[in-house]
Amino acid sequence: GNSVTQMEGPVTLSEEAFLTINCTYTATGYPSLFWYVQYPGEGLQLLLKATKADDKGSNKGFEATYRKETTSFHLEKGSVQVSDSAVYFCALSDRRNAGNMLTFGGGTRLMVKP
Amino acid sequence: DTGVSQDPRHKITKRGQNVTFRCDPISEHNRLYWYRQTLGQGPEFLTYFQNEAQLEKSRLLSDRFSAERPKGSFSTLEIQRTEQGDSAMYLCASSPGKKTNYGYTFGSGTRLTVV
Repeated sequence: GNSVTQMEGPVTLSEEAFLTINCTYTATGYPSLFWYVQYPGEGLQLLLKATKADDKGSNKGFEATYRKETTSFHLEKGSVQVSDSAVYFCALSDRRNAGNMLTFGGGTRLMVKP
Repeated sequence: DTGVSQDPRHKITKRGQNVTFRCDPISEHNRLYWYRQTLGQGPEFLTYFQNEAQLEKSRLLSDRFSAERPKGSFSTLEIQRTEQGDSAMYLCASSPGKKTNYGYTFGSGTRLTVV
């Protein structure tokens, strides 16, 4: 079956520090990959996506590259802000499945201190 | 259209009671999904609809759970005889259909607490 593994949090950084949140996946097919962000008390928001190998998704200074050889989709940001404090979820969608359901990792809480 | 709306935002109920949640998707989206998120975990798929047809249900969806989307617009999720283990955030999401490679739009969720 499909699964997603993320590094456990919380990750605590100072403002302007470099961020990496690791994500690896297991999929029997050829999935699309996503990062979602969840701010306190809110639903999930799509942060970025990649649909094929070597694609780089980017948004709001965050980036992630679809690495098929290492089955990874690590999230990076060069300089984090306090407003980036949230829980980040890596997810995959198996395109062989007509319903395109998402399989999520457990989430990584990021705390950015001023 | 302001996105996916869920009602209520919070629900506290006593064990054994029935509860019903509502989701209003983005109007032009024909797919609607329900997920459950327990504290500290990622969301888990429960069920999804293509228009009014319920096409797949997870094994997580026990017989006490039922979901409907009668006119292919809003959806309801009912939990009968609630148990403490049902306490979770119930998330609804919608998408325009086949191009869900581009991700869904999630609502803010309904947080259920069973006491």
